[in-house]
Amino acid sequence: AQKVTQAQTEISVVEKEDVTLDCVYETRDTTYYLFWYKQPPSGELVFLIRRNSFDEQNEISGRYSWNFQKSTSSFNFTITASQVVDSAVYFCALRGYTGANSKLTFGKGITLSVRP
Amino acid sequence: EAQVTQNPRYLITVTGKKLTVTCSQNMNHEYMSWYRQDPGLGLRQIYYSMNVEVTDKGDVPEGYKVSRKEKRNFPLILESPSPNQTSLYFCASTKTGLHSGNTIYFGEGSWLTVV
Repeated sequence: AQKVTQAQTEISVVEKEDVTLDCVYETRDTTYYLFWYKQPPSGELVFLIRRNSFDEQNEISGRYSWNFQKSTSSFNFTITASQVVDSAVYFCALRGYTGANSKLTFGKGITLSVRP
Repeated sequence: EAQVTQNPRYLITVTGKKLTVTCSQNMNHEYMSWYRQDPGLGLRQIYYSMNVEVTDKGDVPEGYKVSRKEKRNFPLILESPSPNQTSLYFCASTKTGLHSGNTIYFGEGSWLTVV
């Protein structure tokens, strides 16, 4: 069975602070995919990043960066110099390779509040 | 434009009154699924479909039905809605096969309240 744990439930920071959102996953698949989604107050799910299990290279996109460590089964997300517009719920998700595991398994989400 | 369209977006209904939430995608995707989102629980899969006429239960299928008669449509049916089905519902689609890392497209969500 697949599982995604986002231990932090709510985080509150002041604008311009850096913040890291943690994600730990479990799967028996050797090939799998990890995702981060953002859900702003309007409710839609916004895709941020996809990473496959064979690519442990960290990725940076503007103020966003992701640290994938297979050894610790973690896929953490850092926002540098946070802004009020970053306030949202952030979901980490895991997708296995075949069959029932090809569903997207979500963590419970982290609510990020960025104060001016 | 590639999209997943859900309807209705917002609905308030009464206990026991059958309703259907439609989902349609224009990308010829094989895989479609329904999720519900509840506070503190994240998104949980209700049902999924690997292709036409192939459906299977997800993690929380009780109280729901689905059908997949055409590739583009995957309606979610609540035969006798109850208040515990009040939730935000998402439909999703993607290609299957060897590329399970393909982009997953989500609809905009359907806010359902059962009173």
